[in-house]
Amino acid sequence: KQEVTQIPAALSVPEGENLVLNCSFTDSAIYNLQWFRQDPGKGLTSLLLIQSSQREQTSGRLNASLDKSSGRSTLYIAASQPGDSATYLCAVIDNAGNMLTFGGGTRLMVKP
Amino acid sequence: SQTIHQWPATLVQPVGSPLSLECTVEGTSNPNLYWYRQAAGRGLQLLFYSVGIGQISSEVPQNLSASRPQDRQFILSSKKLLLSDSGFYLCAWGDNEQFFGPGTRLTVL
Repeated sequence: KQEVTQIPAALSVPEGENLVLNCSFTDSAIYNLQWFRQDPGKGLTSLLLIQSSQREQTSGRLNASLDKSSGRSTLYIAASQPGDSATYLCAVIDNAGNMLTFGGGTRLMVKP
Repeated sequence: SQTIHQWPATLVQPVGSPLSLECTVEGTSNPNLYWYRQAAGRGLQLLFYSVGIGQISSEVPQNLSASRPQDRQFILSSKKLLLSDSGFYLCAWGDNEQFFGPGTRLTVL
C-alpha cells in the first residue's frame, strides 16, 4: 500500500527566504505526482503536476522535482511572500489506477 | 474552461439525520469524479470514485454512499449520520491530474 509522507509538518520563515518542502513515497511505481495548495477552509488548488517520466516542473516561483527511484519529490519556493502562507500537499497516482494518495501536508507560514 | 461546484458550503446536522451533498462539473464530458474527506488531524481520504454514470467504486466501507445520476453530477449521501462523519468533504474531477471543488464543511452534532 502506497504511503506518502511530508516533512516538515509545519514551517515558519521570514519573507524573502527560499524554502524547500519534502515529500516521500514508499512505492516508486507511480504514474505521476501532484502538488497542491490549500488555504484554510478552502479546497485544493493544483500547483504542479510531474509525470513519472519527468524530473521537474516549474511555474513562476515554484519548482517541483521528482526522483522516482528514491521515492522523493521536493517543492522549491523562491523568494517567499506572506501570500504563500498555506498548507502544501503532495499526492501520487499509482500505476494501478487513478486514485490519489495524499501526504499529511506541510503548513507554511511566511512572516512579513 | 472547466469548473466544479459543491453545495452546500457548510452544513450542521444532528446525529441520525440524512445527508446529501452535491457536486457538479462544467466544461468537460465523462469526467472521472471523486469524493474525498478531510477530517481534523487526519489527511485526505478517498471515499468514492466514478468513471461513468451509475459506476461507483468505494474505497472505504462506512456510513456513506455515492451516486452518479448524470454525467457531470456526483452525490454523496447518508441515511443516518454519525458523529464521526464530521469533516471537510471535497469533490474532484480528472484522472491523471485532479482538480478540486471548494468543499463542504459538515458538522454532526
